Amino acid sequence: DSGVTQTPKHLITATGQRVTLRCSPRSGDLSVYWYQQSLDQGLQFLIQYYNGEERAKGNILERFSAQQFPDLHSELNLSSLELGDSALYFCASSSTGTSANSPLHFGNGTRLTVT
Amino acid sequence: GQNIDQPTEMTATEGAIVQINCTYQTSGFNGLFWYQQHAGEAPTFLSYNVLDGLEEKGRFSSFLSRSKGYSYLLLKELQMKDSASYLCAVNQAGTALIFGKGTTLSVSS
Repeated sequence: DSGVTQTPKHLITATGQRVTLRCSPRSGDLSVYWYQQSLDQGLQFLIQYYNGEERAKGNILERFSAQQFPDLHSELNLSSLELGDSALYFCASSSTGTSANSPLHFGNGTRLTVT
Repeated sequence: GQNIDQPTEMTATEGAIVQINCTYQTSGFNGLFWYQQHAGEAPTFLSYNVLDGLEEKGRFSSFLSRSKGYSYLLLKELQMKDSASYLCAVNQAGTALIFGKGTTLSVSS
């Protein structure tokens, strides 16, 4: 158990809808990272927050947004969903503001299916 | 940008040794990680290299050559439970960990 908690485990929704994925980092970790994993693309970095502030941005679509709250949990919002957004969404946390030197600890992911 | 290449699939037998290679092109290199991921599960941390050379941790070792943009993960005394995807990931200054597409290793008896 990595100590990173993600909810829900599974989500099935229709195209055009909006969903929110939630992540609680390991106790003491200040950074939260969001990754998307699909079969053909592998793990794609979306966005990182550190202590409430956006730290780094990857291939995150404009339809997606995230935030980190004062209690350090994070939410990833996905809107105007398309079939291609179906994927496993992982949250990871680390103790520092950079992933250098500090391994990421991954949650068990949220499997999103868009029908 | 970054480019990380690993073989898509590898097969090996129980008790054998397997080497999974990873080549990368990046600016501002700041360390290389290896992760293991069983199907449908979370990636788990295996090893970290930031300086050239070999890091050994039990049955697993990882090597890095920064001048060649090359790393490998060496798995010894393979067990069936080692069947998984192995992800090479590079940390670039100013961004988060970027992953390769992974190498799926199948271990047979």
